[in-house]
Amino acid sequence: GDSVTQMEGPVTLSEEAFLTINCTYTATGYPSLFWYVQYPGEGLQLLLKATKADDKGSNKGFEATYRKETTSFHLEKGSVQVSDSAVYFCAPRPHNAGGTSYGKLTFGQGTILTVHP
Amino acid sequence: DGGITQSPKYLFRKEGQNVTLSCEQNLNHDAMYWYRQDPGQGLRLIYYSQIVNDFQKGDIAEGYSVSREKKESFPLTVTSAQKNPTAFYLCASSPGQGEETQYFGPGTRLLVL
Repeated sequence: GDSVTQMEGPVTLSEEAFLTINCTYTATGYPSLFWYVQYPGEGLQLLLKATKADDKGSNKGFEATYRKETTSFHLEKGSVQVSDSAVYFCAPRPHNAGGTSYGKLTFGQGTILTVHP
Repeated sequence: DGGITQSPKYLFRKEGQNVTLSCEQNLNHDAMYWYRQDPGQGLRLIYYSQIVNDFQKGDIAEGYSVSREKKESFPLTVTSAQKNPTAFYLCASSPGQGEETQYFGPGTRLLVL
């Protein structure tokens, strides 16, 4: 079945440090790939996505590139802020044989990020 | 404002009791989902519905039930058969028809008395 492996946390950084959160997946075919963020006590928000190989998703200074050859979708940010402290989830979404997405996301276990001033 | 609402924010269940969690969306989305989140774990899919009057079991459906009588509503009932119901429950919706992004509600935290 489909699965996703995320970098284990928690990750603790100082403000303005460089962030990488690794994500690798196994899936049939070529899934769409998502990063979601969850702030304390809230639901998840879409951070960025990529739907085909070599696509780069970006939002709020975060970036991730769909690497088909390494089945990876690592999340990066050049300079983190205290407000980036949250839990980050990588989630591939598979397509069926006909290329149509059928809705189900597979979530990683989440990576807790804490940024100190 | 369009969005997804979940109520209540906190819910307490007594032993042997069924409880129902509400999820409503005014985004005109076809598909809706229920996830369970436990500490240190990712989200696990309980049930999903791609269209009104139809739903499918997810990975951990045992002890739960759902209905989808209206497009905008997808309530989840946690039955007494669910022996470990304490968790954070998240509802989501997506437009369907090939548009994949899921939009999440704020969640309901269920606690057992």
